[in-house]
Order: sequence, then C-alpha cells, then structure tokens
Amino acid sequence: SQQGEEDPQALSIQEGENATMNCSYKTSINNLQWYRQNSGRGLVHLILIRSNEREKHSGRLRVTLDTSKKSSSLLITASRAADTASYFCATDDSGGGADGLTFGKGTHLIIQP
Amino acid sequence: DTAVSQTPKYLVTQMGNDKSIKCEQNLGHDTMYWYKQDSKKFLKIMFSYNNKELIINETVPNRFSPKSPDKAHLNLHINSLELGDSAVYFCASSQDPAELDYGYTFGSGTRLTVV
Repeated sequence: SQQGEEDPQALSIQEGENATMNCSYKTSINNLQWYRQNSGRGLVHLILIRSNEREKHSGRLRVTLDTSKKSSSLLITASRAADTASYFCATDDSGGGADGLTFGKGTHLIIQP
Repeated sequence: DTAVSQTPKYLVTQMGNDKSIKCEQNLGHDTMYWYKQDSKKFLKIMFSYNNKELIINETVPNRFSPKSPDKAHLNLHINSLELGDSAVYFCASSQDPAELDYGYTFGSGTRLTVV
C-alpha cells in the first residue's frame, strides 16, 4: 500500500528561489528518505532522516521530520536549473533495510531559468 | 564503474513472451531489490533478496520470479508477458541497516514495453 504522499504534485519556480516539498505518511517509521529522479534516469539518494531526528542538512538541502504529524519536508535553497527533477519521499518502517522502502507519488519540480 | 547496473535498458517484446532483466551490484551490499515504476511514476517494491534469501514478496503475479545466483546479482524473470507489465523496472541495493545513512543505490532502469 502507498505510504508517502508528496505535496505538491508539481512545482515550478524561478532559478534562485527556494523550493519546498512536503510528504505525509501513515504508519510508524524508522527513517524517511528523499530521492531525486531525473527524467529517464534512476533514483538518487539525497538524504535520510531517522525517526528520532527532527532536522537534517546536506548542502542546499534541509529536511525536517515531524513524527507526531507523520510528515516531512524537503527544502532546496537557491535552486538551480539542474535541480529540475522529480523528488520522492520513501519510508522505511521495518527496523532494517531488508523489507524495502515505500515510496510516495513524487513532486515534479521545474526550475525556470 | 557503475554501482548498480541492469540490462537491458530498453526491452520491447510481444505478449506471451518470456524475458529476463539482469542486475549486478559491485558495492558489496547485503540486500538487493526490484521495483516497478508505472506510467504515473509510482514506485512499488516487488522483491528483495538478502544473502540469497527472499525476504519479501509483494503481491506480484507468480509470472515474475527473482533469481539470485550470488550476492552481487538479482535477475528478474517474467513469463507470459502481458500488456499491463509495461513499465520501468528498477534494481536497487542497500547495505546493512546500520549503515543506512547512504540509502539505497538504484540502477538506471529497464523500460519494458509489451506490444
């Protein structure tokens, strides 16, 4: 069953602006991960946040996690044309990696030059 | 060197045929997976293998069978292909849970078109 739901489904902003994407999920999780998928390519892991963490940074990325609301956000600061891609949140609720991740439907981000 | 490689990249075949997609990872990861991405980009896990043992098997038709000759390979066999099998199939791998900060590593996908 689908776990994560990204919001919005599509987002178009100007280069240099910040982009925020949200993700909601339904069950308890051990960690939540964000992935990027460029058109016609595989998924690339961006960042992982554990259930006992509230915020994490990686370069221009900032991820927050609110387990009480079962939601997460991904902020991309100072966006660039190369950030144009689909972004997926994925939850791991197994206590380990062997059961796989459950993905949301994704947010398609377009950065206008 | 490509970390997770899958072949072929494109596969066009007729209904009823049997086909295989190969996947290899050179990362030394413990677990490998197959995911299916439909036309709406929704990703759903199909199988995972850990040390040659099937860990999960989602509700996929038994026409789909994963085969792992060794820890570095997880191939996907599909029998009696149907139109609805058309999708992009991704292979992925992950390390022991203790090192999950690196997430999963995905292959570049195999676009399967059944005609």
